[in-house]
Amino acid sequence: GENVEQHPSTLSVQEGDSAVIKCTYSDSASNYFPWYKQELGKRPQLIIDIRSNVGEKKDQRIAVTLNKTAKHFSLHITETQPEDSAVYFCAASRAAGNKLTFGGGTRVLVKP
Amino acid sequence: NAGVTQTPKFQVLKTGQSMTLQCAQDMNHEYMSWYRQDPGMGLRLIHYSVGAGITDQGEVPNGYNVSRSTTEDFPLRLLSAAPSQTSVYFCASRASTGGNQPQHFGDGTRLSIL
Repeated sequence: GENVEQHPSTLSVQEGDSAVIKCTYSDSASNYFPWYKQELGKRPQLIIDIRSNVGEKKDQRIAVTLNKTAKHFSLHITETQPEDSAVYFCAASRAAGNKLTFGGGTRVLVKP
Repeated sequence: NAGVTQTPKFQVLKTGQSMTLQCAQDMNHEYMSWYRQDPGMGLRLIHYSVGAGITDQGEVPNGYNVSRSTTEDFPLRLLSAAPSQTSVYFCASRASTGGNQPQHFGDGTRLSIL
């Protein structure tokens, strides 16, 4: 089955700096890669996703890049703010079916 | 439109007890899933369903049963609770049409097994 690895497990940045989280996946048939943000005690919330026919996607301060050849994808947060502090999860799945495999998460702390 | 609703929000059980975690969605989504999230870890898939009457095992199915008699409901049953099942359980749903659709999560059920 699919295996998703996520690095780093914790990330501390100064407010205004950029944060980058990287994920690798094992199943070459995976073609959907969402990113979720989870605040303490809350549900995971989708913040951005990318499909395999796209190499990069941007939404304001958040961007995701995908390298299908190398089987890795990354989340980039620019101009970080204290409210960006949370745990971020990457995930991967195939088009058909419902099996979404998650990475282990990255705890991001933005220091004011 | 309530989205994905999970009940209860909190539950404490004794080892060996059984219980059912409820999950309902009002978005007419075909796909529903149950995940567990242990402290400091990601979400692991327990069971999932691609439509009424169809269920399948995920990554960590042992000790859990599911059924999907309607599109709206996807209950998760703990047959004989064990301390290793202490976790936060999330139910999720998504539409099956239009390519890959995002998962919508419920608020979770915090379950403690003593």
